Amino acid sequence: TQLLEQSPQFLSIQEGENLTVYCNSSSVFSSLQWYRQEPGEGPVLLVTVVTGGEVKKLKRLTFQFGDARKDSSLHITAAQPGDTGLYLCAGFVNAGGTSYGKLTFGQGTILTVHP
Amino acid sequence: DTAVSQTPKYLVTQMGNDKSIKCEQNLGHDTMYWYKQDSKKFLKIMFSYNNKELIINETVPNRFSPKSPDKAHLNLHINSLELGDSAVYFCASSQDKTGRLGNSPLHFGNGTRLTVT
Repeated sequence: TQLLEQSPQFLSIQEGENLTVYCNSSSVFSSLQWYRQEPGEGPVLLVTVVTGGEVKKLKRLTFQFGDARKDSSLHITAAQPGDTGLYLCAGFVNAGGTSYGKLTFGQGTILTVHP
Repeated sequence: DTAVSQTPKYLVTQMGNDKSIKCEQNLGHDTMYWYKQDSKKFLKIMFSYNNKELIINETVPNRFSPKSPDKAHLNLHINSLELGDSAVYFCASSQDKTGRLGNSPLHFGNGTRLTVT
């Protein structure tokens, strides 16, 4: 069973601060997805990283996939109240033969950005 | 123009009852899923359907029975509800062509919060 550990579980910061959320596993993933979920809504995909060492930027958000494809990080620069939400990482392992792939979600990081 | 819509949003019921949750997607995707999110926010897959065919059944009690009348709809019926079934249930769809969980991103509905008393 692939497990994804996210840290921290809770993060409460002031507007303008920087933060990093980590997603770690002992398993190797084919790719890793990051989602953001707001209260009362479903998760929305932010980015997919595929190649070891890959870095992707989405405005003030920077995503990195570890060289060994076992971990990932999300860095937010100058956080804003609109960034508040639950951030979920999900690691994907390809299907083999006739079996199906596995998409394992981390337990999430609840981010609160205070004005 | 909601992409993935599920109803109802809230469901409060007593133990032993039978209830259904409906889901529809207008994205033209071939694959739909049911996920369960527990109180600790863990999301776990329950089922996937590809073009009305059950592909993934992830060790879910057989009190849970999904039904897909067509590839745009995936409903979830739950018999004999138990306290432990309380959770938020998410419907999702993706462009994956096989239902075997490819790399395609998931498009989630807004969830149904089920509370069993």
